[in-house]
Amino acid sequence: DQQVKQNSPSLSVQEGRISILNCDYTNSMFDYFLWYKKYPAEGPTFLISISSIKDKNEDGRFTVFLNKSAKHLSLHIVPSQPGDSAVYFCAASASGGTSYGKLTFGQGTILTVHP
Amino acid sequence: DSGVTQTPKHLITATGQRVTLRCSPRSGDLSVYWYQQSLDQGLQFLIQYYNGEERAKGNILERFSAQQFPDLHSELNLSSLELGDSALYFCASSQGGGREQFFGPGTRLTVL
Repeated sequence: DQQVKQNSPSLSVQEGRISILNCDYTNSMFDYFLWYKKYPAEGPTFLISISSIKDKNEDGRFTVFLNKSAKHLSLHIVPSQPGDSAVYFCAASASGGTSYGKLTFGQGTILTVHP
Repeated sequence: DSGVTQTPKHLITATGQRVTLRCSPRSGDLSVYWYQQSLDQGLQFLIQYYNGEERAKGNILERFSAQQFPDLHSELNLSSLELGDSALYFCASSQGGGREQFFGPGTRLTVL
């Protein structure tokens, strides 16, 4: 039962253009969402997060949008740079109970930004 | 550099053996989490400790156990190893009430 899904295994974008990575979730108890970037042979690096009480959060070139009714979130990277090429993971967590603290990850999307 | 350290970086062992993976959280972080990343399963939550106490448990096998010590470092013990236990094992930490988790570089375990 995959509660967090990233349906695009890969995405290729030209440098300077926008990269849009998508994520869908099924568990309505999720109330906090995060994006991580991962390079080979390294651990995931935290990028940006959003609480379910918001629909948008910005940090520099990165913006995360949350559509609770559609159970969908997206990460926008503008402008994309070759150094952004990595695997991007969407993750979700629920507050309270025995699930608190546990991150549920999507399968990841490989982003390639071409010069 | 996230501030989370993990040792060893690589571990090669044989089936049936037992290994210990070590994690030191970021300074000031009370929570430690363990995740397993295998090729076909993605990143899977194993277990969480908060200030020495077990807080949450995922699909952790009975052959696996963990603990968090008074200095807040954590160890993940894997015993009776099987080929399918070969994976990357990540440790993450967070502040007591923080929702963001910061990951270490991982330990790559290969069971032959």
